[in-house]
Amino acid sequence: AQSVSQHNHHVILSEAASLELGCNYSYGGTVNLFWYVQYPGQHLQLLLKYFSGDPLVKGIKGFEAEFIKSKFSFNLRKPSVQWSDTAEYFCAVNRAGGGNKLTFGTGTQLKVEL
Amino acid sequence: DSGVTQTPKHLITATGQRVTLRCSPRSGDLSVYWYQQSLDQGLQFLIHYYNGEERAKGNILERFSAQQFPDLHSELNLSSLELGDSALYFCASSVRGRGGLGETQYFGPGTRLLVL
Repeated sequence: AQSVSQHNHHVILSEAASLELGCNYSYGGTVNLFWYVQYPGQHLQLLLKYFSGDPLVKGIKGFEAEFIKSKFSFNLRKPSVQWSDTAEYFCAVNRAGGGNKLTFGTGTQLKVEL
Repeated sequence: DSGVTQTPKHLITATGQRVTLRCSPRSGDLSVYWYQQSLDQGLQFLIHYYNGEERAKGNILERFSAQQFPDLHSELNLSSLELGDSALYFCASSVRGRGGLGETQYFGPGTRLLVL
């Protein structure tokens, strides 16, 4: 069965620190990859997505992610986090032939301290 | 604001009861997806409707059912509720969703269900 792994469950950073959140998936075929963010008490918002082409994708709020096919990874990065980035971050995968369902990772709770 | 609306925002009910959650997709979107977010199971896909027809089922219990109406809004019906059904239920929509890749799902604000 397809699975999505997010290795960091809780991350605490100081403002201006760099961020990298890991995401690995287990499916070997064609995939679409997404990062969603969920601010406290709010709904899931799309940060960025990868469909094809340049494996380095840029999203909103200064986030970017790199798709490394050989490593089945799609890690999320931000060079300098802000207090307002405190939220839960979800990696999600949609695979070819899997219908349109998104399979989500377990999420990473990020807390940014002032 | 994603353009996907869900009602109600909060729902408190008792075990054994039945509730209906409503979702209106973004204007022009033909597909509606339902997801359940709970502490122990995380975010799980329940069911997908495209233009009124069921397209895919995920980890949806037999006590749960859904439908999509001609105006494309969708309802998720949860019956014989149990304590473990307490969760956040999200609806998402996309333009097509006929099985191909290259689509983005946009999520609504969710309905928080508490079963007492």
